[in-house]
Amino acid sequence: QKEVEQDPGPLSVPEGAIVSLNCTYSNSAFQYFMWYRQYSRKGPELLMYTYSSGNKEDGRFTAQVDKSSKYISLFIRDSQPSDSATYLCAMRAGTYKYIFGTGTRLKVLA
Amino acid sequence: DSGVTQTPKHLITATGQRVTLRCSPRSGDLSVYWYQQSLDQGLQFLIQYYNGEERAKGNILERFSAQQFPDLHSELNLSSLELGDSALYFCASSSGTVVEETQYFGPGTRLLVL
Repeated sequence: QKEVEQDPGPLSVPEGAIVSLNCTYSNSAFQYFMWYRQYSRKGPELLMYTYSSGNKEDGRFTAQVDKSSKYISLFIRDSQPSDSATYLCAMRAGTYKYIFGTGTRLKVLA
Repeated sequence: DSGVTQTPKHLITATGQRVTLRCSPRSGDLSVYWYQQSLDQGLQFLIQYYNGEERAKGNILERFSAQQFPDLHSELNLSSLELGDSALYFCASSSGTVVEETQYFGPGTRLLVL
């Protein structure tokens, strides 16, 4: 079993929809949780960074961490065609060893 | 543009060969990470250096090695290459000095082993 599981998609939604992306994990030692966006043929870029449980909001993006369920989510409101990309969750424990999900491909249709 | 540079952008080589990938971190960043991204494995953490010293190790094969030089640039050496080593190799840099550090990824080197 992988330490981090993420549905690869693809996920297709109409423009303006609310998108929900999720990851589950098995290592209860993870404390730092991240979401990255990766456009085709580009390096990942950090979208959200959350420590421990709770919610964090930044513009149209909201990250949620539920450590009791070992489940993290990224919500995108008012989705735009420019949001079409692969979204990677990542997490780490107290060390600097990052574990990434395999990514969910999102397509927002105009 | 993240400020992290990687060279070369593309590399085509044959099985059994050795290649060197180069990374220059963002100005002021002391930490460099190397990752391998393939279609079936996703983004895999290989190794991290901080100010010239190895700090963390992931799933890096013995055929692979890395180092960080005094000017903070880093090189990833891949030897005895196999077909399965074909992948995107990313370098990321961070300050390495704060808890909520942000990693900035370079554009990657696409390696094709024939």
